[in-house]
Amino acid sequence: GIQVEQSPPDLILQEGANSTLRCNFSDSVNNLQWFHQNPWGQLINLFYIPSGTKQNGRLSATTVATERYSLLYISSSQTTDSGVYFCAVTWYSSASKIIFGSGTRLSIRP
Amino acid sequence: GAVVSQHPSRVICKSGTSVKIECRSLDFQATTMFWYRQFPKQSLMLMATSNEGSKATYEQGVEKDKFLINHASLTLSTLTVTSAHPEDSSFYICSARDQNNQPQHFGDGTRLSIL
Repeated sequence: GIQVEQSPPDLILQEGANSTLRCNFSDSVNNLQWFHQNPWGQLINLFYIPSGTKQNGRLSATTVATERYSLLYISSSQTTDSGVYFCAVTWYSSASKIIFGSGTRLSIRP
Repeated sequence: GAVVSQHPSRVICKSGTSVKIECRSLDFQATTMFWYRQFPKQSLMLMATSNEGSKATYEQGVEKDKFLINHASLTLSTLTVTSAHPEDSSFYICSARDQNNQPQHFGDGTRLSIL
């Protein structure tokens, strides 16, 4: 099956810093989503981005499907950005299923 | 936007009891619903996929007799953890989508604690 790896696994930053989170996947995908899981467990959908670049406020994401990776950029981090960030892919061999990456745990210090 | 409601948000019960978790799509018809399980500090693992009116498809290693899934309507799927034991304690999350190649929308999860 497809492998989805995220890096780094943990990231600790000061408030105001910028960060880049990476998601690598081992096979062709037809969909990719980025999620933020807050401390209460809620999954917040950030981007639905099978290819190209999107921006939403301080967050942006880029997926290069041909090279099998996606990047999530967070600028001017705030303490409320803390939590776990997951990428999740739907791959061609099994169009129904979402496979989640291992996640990046982000901690923003005031 | 699409809203998925999951209930209850938290359950604490004694070992041996059965627990039912509901997942509802509030403003769209969910042809497919998914159930995930998440242990502390780990990722979400897909347990099963259910299509309305059909039997659920379980992932390898998930006991279908232990985790009963029913998807009787286009807006409701239920997961019943039968004869729950402490090792079943976990965070369970459902998701739903209306058709292929569309984003999945997630519920807020159910934290299950078996004493």
